[in-house]
Amino acid sequence: EVQLVESGGGLVKPGGSLRLSCAASGFTFNNYNMNWVRQAPGKGLEWVSFISSSTRSMYYADSVKGRFTVSRDNAKNALYLQMNSLRAEDTAMYYCARIYDSSDYWGQGTLVTVSS
Amino acid sequence: QPVLTQSSSASASLGSSVRLTCTLSSGHSNYIIAWHQQQPGKAPRYLMKVETSGPYNKGSGVPDRFSGSSSGADRYLTISNIQSEDEADYYCETWDSDTYVFGGGTKLTVL
Repeated sequence: EVQLVESGGGLVKPGGSLRLSCAASGFTFNNYNMNWVRQAPGKGLEWVSFISSSTRSMYYADSVKGRFTVSRDNAKNALYLQMNSLRAEDTAMYYCARIYDSSDYWGQGTLVTVSS
Repeated sequence: QPVLTQSSSASASLGSSVRLTCTLSSGHSNYIIAWHQQQPGKAPRYLMKVETSGPYNKGSGVPDRFSGSSSGADRYLTISNIQSEDEADYYCETWDSDTYVFGGGTKLTVL
């Protein structure tokens, strides 16, 4: 069974940093590209970042470019999102998703709240 | 990059059918989209992909009541014999060379 479990969310002050993790199991992690997708309270889904299976390619939404960094450790079946210079508008539930063309399995999410 | 347009809301009675629409922007009418369901308070769940020729790669455990189709730049999700648990937000997703895009979502209310 495919499982994706996010962790690392919490309350952080504006300008602060946070590192999210996504633990993957039930599939061959190093064969799949991965996405981070977020959802602000009461809002729709917003794509954040993509990383290819080999880490050769990484892409970011304009709203996070230069502040967020995606990475992965295929030996540990883990995906990460380093978030720096956090802003109030980054407050959201953050989901990791496996990609098979589109997102095809989702984690349960981890909540990030940016507030003073 | 592509843009996906969805109606903000829809409603249907228990046991009836409803068709939700996701429209691709000009110049992107041949793109594949994916449909996702998000029940209240839950994570999204992948339903299926829809290309110009129709649906494929249905998600694990997705009931047969959910089907997809396509016409021009429109991609459809049809839910038949609607159940109370189908009340949810439905999002479409597509992708390009270096970006992923979601539609604004359609909130389905079951009457």
